[in-house]
Amino acid sequence: GAGVSQTPSNKVTEKGKYVELRCDPISGHTALYWYRQSLGQGPEFLIYFQGTGAADDSGLPNDRFFAVRPEGSVSTLKIQRTERGDSAVYLCASSLNGLAEAQYFGPGTRLLVL
Amino acid sequence: QQQVKQSPQSLIVQKGGISIINCAYENTAFDYFPWYQQFPGKGPALLIAIRPDVSEKKEGRFTISFNKSAKQFSLHIMDSQPGDSATYFCAASKGTGGFKTIFGAGTRLFVKA
Repeated sequence: GAGVSQTPSNKVTEKGKYVELRCDPISGHTALYWYRQSLGQGPEFLIYFQGTGAADDSGLPNDRFFAVRPEGSVSTLKIQRTERGDSAVYLCASSLNGLAEAQYFGPGTRLLVL
Repeated sequence: QQQVKQSPQSLIVQKGGISIINCAYENTAFDYFPWYQQFPGKGPALLIAIRPDVSEKKEGRFTISFNKSAKQFSLHIMDSQPGDSATYFCAASKGTGGFKTIFGAGTRLFVKA
């Protein structure tokens, strides 16, 4: 595709529910990143994939958050037992090699936990 | 040590003026310093980036000035236009030993016509 796509664009859920957020990176990009952006703040790093493996998951806030990238392309961020504090925009980005280089961001998924 | 501090929080500039946004970092291991531009409802987009082996980089109306000893870098937008009105984020990352990118809190720029 032309750019990074994320689905859904908006997600409203109830406290305690499980959600999955999907990211389709730019074709051929080996590196994929997930960020969380709260209102009025910069993106906060969650996890970085190089290929199929999570090279750095130090930003995941707790064990309710999990992400996978089974075939080295599409990634899914999974949040269990959602809390109101999880409400934010979840951004996905990809880059060609995962070195210090430009990251291309998707439009984000706006998650609202009621 | 992982923080990137950005200022000002907001900035209003007249059309044709110079917009200046500043950032400071603490971790000397950082070796890549990008600036991203974000419009409402969109993801951030890379504007310009610099590595610490140069003190300045210019691309069109956008210039990064980098001061390694002071651990500071800044974005200058020359001849600012209303279309530049957006939120700007500085960031820092290191190319080896982890690729976590740390973003500043952002600067909301408004360019008055």
